[in-house]
Amino acid sequence: AQSVTQLGSHVSVSEGALVLLRCNYSSSVPPYLFWYVQYPNQGLQLLLKYTTGATLVKGINGFEAEFKKSETSFHLTKPSAHMSDAAEYFCAVSVGGGFKTIFGAGTRLFVKA
Amino acid sequence: AAGVIQSPRHLIKEKRETATLKCYPIPRHDTVYWYQQGPGQDPQFLISFYEKMQSDKGSIPDRFSAQQFSDYHSELNMSSLELGDSALYFCASGSGGTDTQYFGPGTRLTVL
Repeated sequence: AQSVTQLGSHVSVSEGALVLLRCNYSSSVPPYLFWYVQYPNQGLQLLLKYTTGATLVKGINGFEAEFKKSETSFHLTKPSAHMSDAAEYFCAVSVGGGFKTIFGAGTRLFVKA
Repeated sequence: AAGVIQSPRHLIKEKRETATLKCYPIPRHDTVYWYQQGPGQDPQFLISFYEKMQSDKGSIPDRFSAQQFSDYHSELNMSSLELGDSALYFCASGSGGTDTQYFGPGTRLTVL
């Protein structure tokens, strides 16, 4: 069975500081990994995804994530936080053709001025 | 670009009533997924359809049923509603069961 663990339900950073949101996964087969962002009262928007190939994945809004198989991790980073980055971020894993996606519990990112 | 359309956006029902949520996928997408997101919770996978056939099933209660129609839109039918069914219901669509899912804005269901 697949699972996703997001470390830290809340993360607070100052504007301009590095953003690091942690995600570890468990999967018995090579996973597909995703990061989604959710703004209040809105749907989920795909930030980036890893399927195969290059382990460093670049997404929208300056975010990137690195797939580390040895650490079963897929942490999300952004060099410089912006106020507009404040939102809920979900890490997700899917296998077997992607019909079923398992989401982590989410990390709420706060950005301080 | 066209996105996933969900209707209604908001729905208020009484306990024991029924509700039908509709999802219209992005054109040419053949896969639909349904998720339930409770207050402060992560989205929970309910069910998915590929080419009008159920492709996977998650934590969907027996009181709920869903189907995908010939035009690829999908409906989630919920009967004997309970207070705990109050949540945001998301539909997502994709192509060929591949990795990327595009989410709709959700339907907020409130059961009184």
